[in-house]
Amino acid sequence: RKEVEQDPGPFNVPEGATVAFNCTYSNSASQSFFWYRQDCRKEPKLLMSVYSSGNEDGRFTAQLNRASQYISLLIRDSKLSDSATYLCVVNMPGYSTLTFGKGTMLLVSP
Amino acid sequence: DTGVSQNPRHKITKRGQNVTFRCDPISEHNRLYWYRQTLGQGPEFLTYFQNEAQLEKSRLLSDRFSAERPKGSFSTLEIQRTEQGDSAMYLCASSSIKGGDTEAFFGQGTRLTVV
Repeated sequence: RKEVEQDPGPFNVPEGATVAFNCTYSNSASQSFFWYRQDCRKEPKLLMSVYSSGNEDGRFTAQLNRASQYISLLIRDSKLSDSATYLCVVNMPGYSTLTFGKGTMLLVSP
Repeated sequence: DTGVSQNPRHKITKRGQNVTFRCDPISEHNRLYWYRQTLGQGPEFLTYFQNEAQLEKSRLLSDRFSAERPKGSFSTLEIQRTEQGDSAMYLCASSSIKGGDTEAFFGQGTRLTVV
């Protein structure tokens, strides 16, 4: 089983739609979780951290389910500018590094 | 610009040549990471420094790869005897040990093409 798994997509949605991505991780002792966004041929940038209680930032909501070892990202009222690859990132216990999933591609169309 | 800076942005080299990339992290960050990313994949961890100490290395990092961070500031990644399979985007990131979360800030990357 891969350390961090994501559905690569692409997810094709119209503007205004709500879309959700899930990500599973293999190590139950993982401590920190993040969603990064990567535009085509650009570097990854932090979108939001994921907290145990769930957290929201504008149209974006992130949730963590430790029992099932997955995190989710919900995007409401999708904008064209949300088109990007969304990378699920996990900090494995005992390591200072971040482990990335392959990313989920989102395409928002007019 | 106070972000992570990488040079060069692009490098084309012939198979068998050596290449060196440079990364200048955000000045107050003591952690520095190198990642490699190929098309359709997420970034894959290569190595990690805390200050000048190289604390972690991936199994992906063959003996042709070496990284240094001599004064705990900038870092270099050298690939010797390049192979076509080394073609990828090489990303550098930095973070601070302060604070709870390990938010890593990435540079724009060096795109290596081995021909």
